[in-house]
Amino acid sequence: ETGVTQSPTHLIKTRGQQVTLRCSSQSGHNTVSWYQQALGQGPQFIFQYYREEENGRGNFPPRFSGLQFPNYSSELNVNALELDDSALYLCASSLAGQSHHEQYFGPGTRLTVT
Amino acid sequence: LAKTTQPISMDSYEGQEVNITCSHNNIATNDYITWYQQFPSQGPRFIIQGYKTKVTNEVASLFIPADRKSSTLSLPRVSLSDTAVYYCLVGGMGTGGYNKLIFGAGTRLAVHP
Repeated sequence: ETGVTQSPTHLIKTRGQQVTLRCSSQSGHNTVSWYQQALGQGPQFIFQYYREEENGRGNFPPRFSGLQFPNYSSELNVNALELDDSALYLCASSLAGQSHHEQYFGPGTRLTVT
Repeated sequence: LAKTTQPISMDSYEGQEVNITCSHNNIATNDYITWYQQFPSQGPRFIIQGYKTKVTNEVASLFIPADRKSSTLSLPRVSLSDTAVYYCLVGGMGTGGYNKLIFGAGTRLAVHP
């Protein structure tokens, strides 16, 4: 069984640039969620994708967008980067219809915006 | 989803039992209680989930009183490797695949030699 993987591990961008983060879900999982975790805080829900469509969204502006592909992998895109976007970005996969909280997280991508 | 309150930090020593209590006064009838563990620079890891009474697995036990307004995560005989942040989450079964997790600040557990 393959776990959740994310790439890249670390990334440094300049304010105003755009970034794409990638996630491969755990084998057999069809739902992907993205979270932003600032230093010292708990993860904050960005959005979730199910059947290649956004299936729920947290309190994040439209410049945060995503995609889910037929193989259930996913991308998180952030446009017009701001300094406050510096955080650990976590991807979590799950199987729709299973227990509400059984999500499996990847190791995250550490984004630094300068 | 119900809001949760848990201690900001706790300290313990190797070999001791650690109990972390979480308050969730507004828990709904169909809500489950779930605990996650997170090490620095890693994603959270599912520990245990329960609905009522007691649940035990190879890692921890979860005690839930009859009114379900609180829960206690019990870690038996902790070791240095149990130093982490522990999150208590409360929520119901998702429908249509929509099952976001709402994390609080968590409890930072430090285990000392």
